[in-house]
Amino acid sequence: EAGVTQFPSHSVIEKGQTVTLRCDPISGHDNLYWYRRVMGKEIKFLLHFVKESKQDESGMPNNRFLAERTGGTYSTLKVQPAELEDSGVYFCASSRTGYEQFFGPGTRLTVL
Amino acid sequence: QKEVEQDPGPLSVPEGAIVSLNCTYSNSAFQYFMWYRQYSRKGPELLMYTYSSGNKEDGRFTAQVDKSSKYISLFIRDSQPSDSATYLCAMKRLNTGNQFYFGTGTSLTVIP
Repeated sequence: EAGVTQFPSHSVIEKGQTVTLRCDPISGHDNLYWYRRVMGKEIKFLLHFVKESKQDESGMPNNRFLAERTGGTYSTLKVQPAELEDSGVYFCASSRTGYEQFFGPGTRLTVL
Repeated sequence: QKEVEQDPGPLSVPEGAIVSLNCTYSNSAFQYFMWYRQYSRKGPELLMYTYSSGNKEDGRFTAQVDKSSKYISLFIRDSQPSDSATYLCAMKRLNTGNQFYFGTGTSLTVIP
């Protein structure tokens, strides 16, 4: 069984630009989560999809972040426009039950 | 105050030693507790999970939860160089959302 995959693995952009991160969950996992780790801090929850519906987006920092999960399969997280404080590692996780969450390798975002 | 506190280390032990990793938490609503292992530049990998208080053993790993003290531990017996990684605790409230709350992680090095 393939694990959670994320693309790109690393992105370097300038402040004000747009970046789109992609996550492909484990096949059959209806639950999909986005998390972010800023350097030196803990991994923090951003939002949770069940299939294509946003179940909880309480962790999204502001309206510059937009997450979608069309068709309940892969998900994208768009940051527009990017700010310096958006730099960090963005993790995606998927789960069948909501309890065992399997994480992808992360996308390292650097905003210059 | 952070929801989950974890000593970042670093922790360095000789091969074969018993390792004790710990987290404390402030929210008594947490009922589900996980330990993740993260190698450099990889995503967190689920090691063990426990529900409520008590012990759970899996090979060389033992997870312990003391809800009265709001304290969880992960013990690694006969530590190996391949155990060198960052260990993250995570926890979840039961029946109220699916987001995990993470500690900052403890960096462990096992010296051959």
